[in-house]
Amino acid sequence: DAGITQSPRHKVTETGTPVTLRCHQTENHRYMYWYRQDPGHGLRLIHYSYGVKDTDKGEVSDGYSVSRSKTEDFLLTLESATSSQTSVYFCAISEFGTGETGYTFGSGTRLTVV
Amino acid sequence: GQQVMQIPQYQHVQEGEDFTTYCNSSTTLSNIQWYKQRPGGHPVFLIQLVKSGEVKKQKRLTFQFGEAKKNSSLHITATQTTDVGTYFCADNSGAGSYQLTFGKGTKLSVIP
Repeated sequence: DAGITQSPRHKVTETGTPVTLRCHQTENHRYMYWYRQDPGHGLRLIHYSYGVKDTDKGEVSDGYSVSRSKTEDFLLTLESATSSQTSVYFCAISEFGTGETGYTFGSGTRLTVV
Repeated sequence: GQQVMQIPQYQHVQEGEDFTTYCNSSTTLSNIQWYKQRPGGHPVFLIQLVKSGEVKKQKRLTFQFGEAKKNSSLHITATQTTDVGTYFCADNSGAGSYQLTFGKGTKLSVIP
């Protein structure tokens, strides 16, 4: 969808290396989210942000950290990548915290840890 | 967090047949949202249901929220190949209303 971009789209990295995924939005939405999607698990929330420098953990936050220094950017860092973190990562944005207008998702980043 | 269970996990239908997916919770939901994800794509918001017994329609899609707000359904009439994808329900009734918890989805295949 227009207004939210993720980079990179694909990445292969080695076990033990740090990796940073970027989510950039032009909608000026307050709320931003990182989800991972795995077969059989659906979409699981990693971390979310409710404002600049305001973040909180989701369901599967172990091994991940986030930062939001500007409204438009939300970074997800895998501190030391493991094979279990091979997944498709989606960023989402929302104008309202309760999502009355739904979440808008980015196109995803496919991460492979070898 | 809040758990929403979706059934069935997979559904194969002939083009023109109807399709229904169900979303169930053991506790009362504040609201429910539905998303569609095409193969290789990202989830796209379809609709939000808030009121008990609410019914909303979008062309061939009918969304319902149960009277007790513990279940919801998505019904597609006369499926088309463009309906292929995975349909997710999601709720934000859990701890911290800022986050949506997604069901595992129902993957729909349409045989032409």
